[in-house]
Amino acid sequence: QSVLTQPPSVSGAPGQRVTISCTGSSSNIGAGYDVHWYQQVPGSAPKLLIYASNSRPSGVPDRFSGSKSGTSASLAISGLQAEDEADYYCQSYDSSLSGSLFGGGTKLTVL
Amino acid sequence: QLQLQESGPGLAKPSETLSLTCTVSGGSISSSSYLWGWVRQPPGKGLEWIGTMYYSGNTYYNPSLKSRVTMSVDTSKNQFSLKLSSVTAADTAMYYCVRHAGGYKRGEILPVKWFDPWGQGTLVTVSS
Repeated sequence: QSVLTQPPSVSGAPGQRVTISCTGSSSNIGAGYDVHWYQQVPGSAPKLLIYASNSRPSGVPDRFSGSKSGTSASLAISGLQAEDEADYYCQSYDSSLSGSLFGGGTKLTVL
Repeated sequence: QLQLQESGPGLAKPSETLSLTCTVSGGSISSSSYLWGWVRQPPGKGLEWIGTMYYSGNTYYNPSLKSRVTMSVDTSKNQFSLKLSSVTAADTAMYYCVRHAGGYKRGEILPVKWFDPWGQGTLVTVSS
């Protein structure tokens, strides 16, 4: 089954570090396809946060970092700030779908 | 700076065809390194890839929507379009147009990479 699984929610206090996992399978992340992460603030369109598993577009703070191993990937946010409160989605290519797949999304709450 | 803008009716009737257009500004839709796609998000739910196409006409559709989706491109207007037929209430969603970074395999560009940038989105409600 072609699914990317994310935890529905994570939370952390300002200044802390949180991680969001994205678990796939042998037809997507495990096949070597990169993982990309998006941040969606309520009422706005998603914005590319991390591409090619661990690269940041210009303008994205280095507090955001990505990693990938085996059939999983992670997004780490350090030095948590109130403005980081948003929904986060992972995305990868799936060879059995011959197309893109999104994770279900994770809501980050800054306590 | 590349910008994408969706346009089209905000209301569609059940069983009819939803039609949206995306206008690209600040860059050419005929770029060799990129494809163009659509992603939707039902209210309160997650993101779903609908489909992606290359300016030359190659299309790639989500298998779950493939039978109802048609995408096309008008390079003279720097626009691409989405048609989704036989819509139901389940198709009510915010529809985003996106630039889809591609990767080459055996000389063919494939929609294997990230979406950036995104349009602001247009809400389409399916209701009689």
